[in-house]
Amino acid sequence: NAGVTQTPKFQVLKTGQSMTLQCAQDMNHEYMSWYRQDPGMGLRLIHYSVGAGITDQGEVPNGYNVSRSTTEDFPLRLLSAAPSQTSVYFCASRDSNEKLFFGSGTQLSVL
Amino acid sequence: QKEVEQDPGPLSVPEGAIVSLNCTYSNSAFQYFMWYRQYSRKGPELLMYTYSSGNKEDGRFTAQVDKSSKYISLFIRDSQPSDSATYLCAMISETGANNLFFGTGTRLTVIP
Repeated sequence: NAGVTQTPKFQVLKTGQSMTLQCAQDMNHEYMSWYRQDPGMGLRLIHYSVGAGITDQGEVPNGYNVSRSTTEDFPLRLLSAAPSQTSVYFCASRDSNEKLFFGSGTQLSVL
Repeated sequence: QKEVEQDPGPLSVPEGAIVSLNCTYSNSAFQYFMWYRQYSRKGPELLMYTYSSGNKEDGRFTAQVDKSSKYISLFIRDSQPSDSATYLCAMISETGANNLFFGTGTRLTVIP
């Protein structure tokens, strides 16, 4: 059982570049989310989705876009990367008991 | 004031010690409380899950919730080097709510 799969594991971007972080889950969870984790800040919610075709903003959505065309996939797009977006990004899906299952993370550096 | 406060540590203990990790929170609506364990360069994984006040035990781990004091704890008995990780508390107000509030995490090292 793969759980939540994130790609890539590492990425270096230059300021202004765009990229998509991929996330897929095979647990048939309706709820999926993206977090960023920064030292001293903990995990902060970027965007979330309660089902295919439905997305909403979290605590820190600026600079990020998401879409949810299928239950399995929830990609996160950076349209014009900025150094402030250097962080570790985690995708997570949630079951009906509010338990989150995290991917292994993407370490992103924006130069 | 943050919704959830957690001492970042770091905390170093000898193998076999009892470890106490704690979080305080401000929102009295929180009802579901969780502890996640995160190894270096890995995603957090759910360790303990409790609803409302009380204790829950799972092997060497015990989670306590005191809603009257807005205080939760995780105890690790007979700590092992494999317990070395960052521990994050998390809480949510109700099922279907859209955000889980996390503490910043406490980094624990268990020294052999």
